[in-house]
Amino acid sequence: GAVVSQHPSRVICKSGTSVKIECRSLDFQATTMFWYRQFPKQSLMLMATSNEGSKATYEQGVEKDKFLINHASLTLSTLTVTSAHPEDSSFYICSARDREGGQGSKSLYEQYFGPGTRLTVT
Amino acid sequence: RKEVEQDPGPFNVPEGATVAFNCTYSNSASQSFFWYRQDCRKEPKLLMSVYSSGNEDGRFTAQLNRASQYISLLIRDSKLSDSATYLCVVNYGQNFVFGPGTRLSVLP
Repeated sequence: GAVVSQHPSRVICKSGTSVKIECRSLDFQATTMFWYRQFPKQSLMLMATSNEGSKATYEQGVEKDKFLINHASLTLSTLTVTSAHPEDSSFYICSARDREGGQGSKSLYEQYFGPGTRLTVT
Repeated sequence: RKEVEQDPGPFNVPEGATVAFNCTYSNSASQSFFWYRQDCRKEPKLLMSVYSSGNEDGRFTAQLNRASQYISLLIRDSKLSDSATYLCVVNYGQNFVFGPGTRLSVLP
């Protein structure tokens, strides 16, 4: 259980175009999803926290107008990188927290990661 | 000071060795603690949660010292497949903060 998918897994786009990345929780409902970015040889950096039905909360230094997040349902969140530039090339990873976390054997605080999307902007 | 700090590594150890990783965190309001492993170009995968009483899962032992704001991970009888980057993760509220990771290479 607790599977999170991301699509696409890899994308190459030209500078100035926009790219949409989807994150889906496949077998659970996620009230909260997180978007991270990881540059080579660096750790994950949280970009934003997304709660279903409300606006995302962005970390300091992350432009909300450039990285558009939509969390329209309990199983889907999308990240759109608008007007992408080469410096946006990175590994983007989403994670999700189970709505039923804390019940039964499910951990209250555990998050489940998607496989990541490798974005290359040329 | 960074919120979560880890041994810089890399650690290069022979198969069968015991290796320990350390992690410190700065936010005393932190609630939950985890160790994740991340293989090259892959997403992080949960290795184990860390409980106040300490916990063990096979060859892996995690310890938490809230007073010192310190977490450790011990790997016994290391295998080649243990080679990865180990991430210390600290949670408070909705926030998950990742440490920079410690890279482990287990050598034949």
